[in-house]
Amino acid sequence: GDSVTQMEGPVTLSEEAFLTINCTYTATGYPSLFWYVQYPGEGLQLLLKATKADDKGSNKGFEATYRKETTSFHLEKGSVQVSDSAVYFCALRDSGAGSYQLTFGKGTKLSVIP
Amino acid sequence: NAGVTQTPKFQVLKTGQSMTLQCAQDMNHNSMYWYRQDPGMGLRLIYYSASEGTTDKGEVPNGYNVSRLNKREFSLRLESAAPSQTSVYFCASNQRSYEQYFGPGTRLTVT
Repeated sequence: GDSVTQMEGPVTLSEEAFLTINCTYTATGYPSLFWYVQYPGEGLQLLLKATKADDKGSNKGFEATYRKETTSFHLEKGSVQVSDSAVYFCALRDSGAGSYQLTFGKGTKLSVIP
Repeated sequence: NAGVTQTPKFQVLKTGQSMTLQCAQDMNHNSMYWYRQDPGMGLRLIYYSASEGTTDKGEVPNGYNVSRLNKREFSLRLESAAPSQTSVYFCASNQRSYEQYFGPGTRLTVT
């Protein structure tokens, strides 16, 4: 079955540091890939997405590139801010899932300190 | 536009009690989902409804039932709550586009 593996947290960074959160996946078809963010006390929000190989998703300074050869979708940001402190979830939607179900990774908690 | 709304926000139950979590969306989405979020486990799909009138089991359906009341509303029922059902429950919806929109969650504690 489908699965998503992302790096264990928590991750603590100083403001303006570079961020990478690794995500790899296993899927039977040709999945679309997503990063969701969950701020404290809130539901999940879509951060960015990529629907085919070599696509780059970007939003709010975050980027991730769909790498089919390494089955990866790593999240990066060049300079994190305190307001980026949140839990980040990598997810996939397999092309065969008729109801558009998502498979999530376990989440990575990011804390950014001033 | 409220998006996805969930009630209640918090609930404490005793083992064996029953309750229904409510979810509604005002985006005219066909598909709706119930997830639970547990520490270190990410989000796991409990049940989903691909369209009005249909429901299907997800990864962890045991101990739960659902009702797709109409296109807007999708409820989750715990008939006899157990401590293992202590979790944060999220409802989500989407249309043919890929993005799922999530509600703010219900934090449930079963003692």
